[in-house]
Amino acid sequence: EDQVTQSPEALRLQEGESSSLNCSYTVSGLRGLFWYRQDPGKGPEFLFTLYSAGEEKEKERLKATLTKKESFLHITAPKPEDSATYLCAVIQAGTALIFGKGTTLSVSS
Amino acid sequence: GAVVSQHPSWVICKSGTSVKIECRSLDFQATTMFWYRQFPKQSLMLMATSNEGSKATYEQGVEKDKFLINHASLTLSTLTVTSAHPEDSSFYICSAREPPRETQYFGPGTRLLVL
Repeated sequence: EDQVTQSPEALRLQEGESSSLNCSYTVSGLRGLFWYRQDPGKGPEFLFTLYSAGEEKEKERLKATLTKKESFLHITAPKPEDSATYLCAVIQAGTALIFGKGTTLSVSS
Repeated sequence: GAVVSQHPSWVICKSGTSVKIECRSLDFQATTMFWYRQFPKQSLMLMATSNEGSKATYEQGVEKDKFLINHASLTLSTLTVTSAHPEDSSFYICSAREPPRETQYFGPGTRLLVL
């Protein structure tokens, strides 16, 4: 059973069309939830770390939120350069990062 | 801040040869570094965790004699793929953790092609 599930698997948006990506998790004792962006052929680029339910973080057009069961990555008025795969990962005490399978976002102009 | 580099970015080698990949944390000291492997259109698969000055911890199914990891300093970890074969061709990515935070910062990756 997957401990981290991301949805949708793929998302196509028009430029300016806001949307949200979901990351649900079933781990207990969460010590952190992480969002990364990965472009093809490159390593993941760190976006946000969230530690507790209710926490929110923003960076440019991106906003990440966290509840006790899931996290959302909200993308406001996306641009074509926001096209990438967005990875969610969680960490429990004494474990390594557990990654979801990612959401591939395509933004067309 | 929190920049991680990898070298080389691309390597092509003949079957049976060994390849060394370097991972460096450029602006912080990383007591723990991680090595991942990623297949096309799949997520990252953790291979091993390396702590400075001690032996690496390998994930189940990863051959430690084939994938040699050395973490000799707080800013450098190396992964050596010994006697590489075509099935070892993949995208290898390292990451480093800046204590006491849990956040891992990733390198740009190394594409290995074994002919």
